[in-house]
This record gives sequence, structure tokens and C-alpha cells, in this order.
Amino acid sequence: QQPVQSPQAVILREGEDAVINCSSSKALYSVHWYRQKHGEAPVFLMILLKGGEQKGHEKISASFNEKKQQSSLYLTASQLSYSGTYFCGTYAYSGAGSYQLTFGKGTKLSVIP
Amino acid sequence: ETGVTQSPTHLIKTRGQQVTLRCSSQSGHNTVSWYQQALGQGPQFIFQYYREEENGRGNFPPRFSGLQFPNYSSELNVNALELDDSALYLCASRGDRGQETQYFGPGTRLLVL
Repeated sequence: QQPVQSPQAVILREGEDAVINCSSSKALYSVHWYRQKHGEAPVFLMILLKGGEQKGHEKISASFNEKKQQSSLYLTASQLSYSGTYFCGTYAYSGAGSYQLTFGKGTKLSVIP
Repeated sequence: ETGVTQSPTHLIKTRGQQVTLRCSSQSGHNTVSWYQQALGQGPQFIFQYYREEENGRGNFPPRFSGLQFPNYSSELNVNALELDDSALYLCASRGDRGQETQYFGPGTRLLVL
């Protein structure tokens, strides 16, 4: 039930682009992306809803393929501040009338000068 | 600043002891979720409360229990602590509409010796 993220880690030079992928075996209602820096709590970046609506960060974009239960996060012209671990969270029905947000293992992104 | 607070920030316990962690959600957020994050892993869903009732639970034993109070505060209780319980414990709150963004607190780092 845990979404699968790829790659596990990536190293970029400032200004380069990266794509982080997230896939799930469950039917999804939305996908949530977070970034976590070392020793800190995850910080919300973006939410992608069924039907195409997106809410979130101005400089980071993402896509959500509802049929394939896949999402991708696009980081363009990376900055040093983009370094951290990126988590996708998949929001799905978990039974008994409730929904839950389940996170992948994360993708560690390192941006170097 | 997410408006979600947790206490204490750090805690050291010994095996077999019991611990209570506390969370204060954003005002108006009736859903609170608790997660366990081991080093190098993504947040693992423990359980979720909505209006003081548990309405979702992950793969955690019954010695992990919780309470939610009408004043938007909540507790995570762990009995009979084990060494593997050492982790960062995160609470996250969200509003009532189906796809609301979930905001994390700063976490409580628990060390079991």
C-alpha cells in the first residue's frame, strides 16, 4: 500500500532539473508532495487532486496520472535550498469510511554549487 | 509556521516504560494523524482521529493508543516501550473538506534505551 518513489537519491548541480516519480497500486483521490530537511518536519509543497486541480508551490510543478496512479514532481533550475528528502503521500480510501495519507520512503535530493 | 505544535521536543525513556506525546492542532482542524518516522524512512501512519473518534489505523500494535480532545489537542500513548520505538513522532492536522492539505508539527524525537 505504500507508494513507490524513484529515484531513491539524486545529486544535481545548481540550475539543473530533476524529476521524482511516485506510483501506487491503489486507486488514489489525491497525491501530496512534501520536502523534509534534516532534523525538521516535512513541509507541504503541493497537492494534486483528481480532475487536474493543483495547489501549491510557485516554482515547483507536478503531474498526476489518475489512470496509472502515478505522479511526478518536476524541479527546474534547482537551487541549493531545494536540497532535502522529498516524500509523496497518496490519499486513498482505507476502509470503514475513512481515508488516509500514506507516504513513500522518500527521494533524497542534493544540490551542489 | 504550520500552527501545529508538539511537546516535548525530545524524550529519553527506557525499555518497558510508558510515554505520552502531545500535539496541538490548528484551530478548526478536526482531523489529526500521528506518524512514526524512523531514521532514513518515510513517515509511517499510526492512526487518525476525527472529532475525538479513531477512524483509521495503520499496522501498529494496540500498545500504541491515542486520544483527541475538543480543544484541538491530542495525545499519542505508547505502553511497554521497545528499542525499535525510537523514532521521530509527527502529528499532522487537516480540515474537514475531503482533500485538505495536511500540516505537520515539528515532531517529538523519542529515544528508548
